Amino acid sequence: SAVISQKPSRDICQRGTSLTIQCQVDSQVTMMFWYRQQPGQSLTLIATANQGSEATYESGFVIDKFPISRPNLTFSTLTVSNMSPEDSSIYLCSVVLLGGYEQYFGPGTRLTVT
Amino acid sequence: QKEVEQDPGPLSVPEGAIVSLNCTYSNSAFQYFMWYRQYSRKGPELLMYTYSSGNKEDGRFTAQVDKSSKYISLFIRDSQPSDSATYLCAMSAYWGNQFYFGTGTSLTVIP
Repeated sequence: SAVISQKPSRDICQRGTSLTIQCQVDSQVTMMFWYRQQPGQSLTLIATANQGSEATYESGFVIDKFPISRPNLTFSTLTVSNMSPEDSSIYLCSVVLLGGYEQYFGPGTRLTVT
Repeated sequence: QKEVEQDPGPLSVPEGAIVSLNCTYSNSAFQYFMWYRQYSRKGPELLMYTYSSGNKEDGRFTAQVDKSSKYISLFIRDSQPSDSATYLCAMSAYWGNQFYFGTGTSLTVIP
């Protein structure tokens, strides 16, 4: 397995502002993903973070709202832009380790937008 | 039709019981199967992962895949109060392909 850290672990933000979430892994990974999990719901894939190129977004998610960077193999950021209360959710990064196929999750960032 | 169907529960069992958690799926191309445990306010923790059909055992946990029926199961033996959590199944067709998640089953083990 791997140690995956996310910062911040939680935040309360005002409507209209932006928050950048960081994800750091201590092992070599091949794939990194960003998910959203709303209260009592399952996981919704936002995008696949591609190293050195633009992220691949799922239907319903756009780069202007959720810009993603992945400058190297072990680090990625997700920004939630121009936030509204509907963005209140847990945001999770996940990774597939080099040589594996299973997916590991970070501890999540709990975001509340007021 | 959803790619993955999972009974949300809630499921409540006495301590020591055998628990059976299940998911069905529609895409016959799925061949990577995973089970996660998620405690409240935490990220999902990978419990078991299997490739293709068959059984895999790890301590009190057994994962089963029946590709002919498009059905996967997670069995928990001698369930403990610490097993109380939401269990999510996930699956993928090809390496690097999108993972599809069930909605999760909420389990409570009563002491």
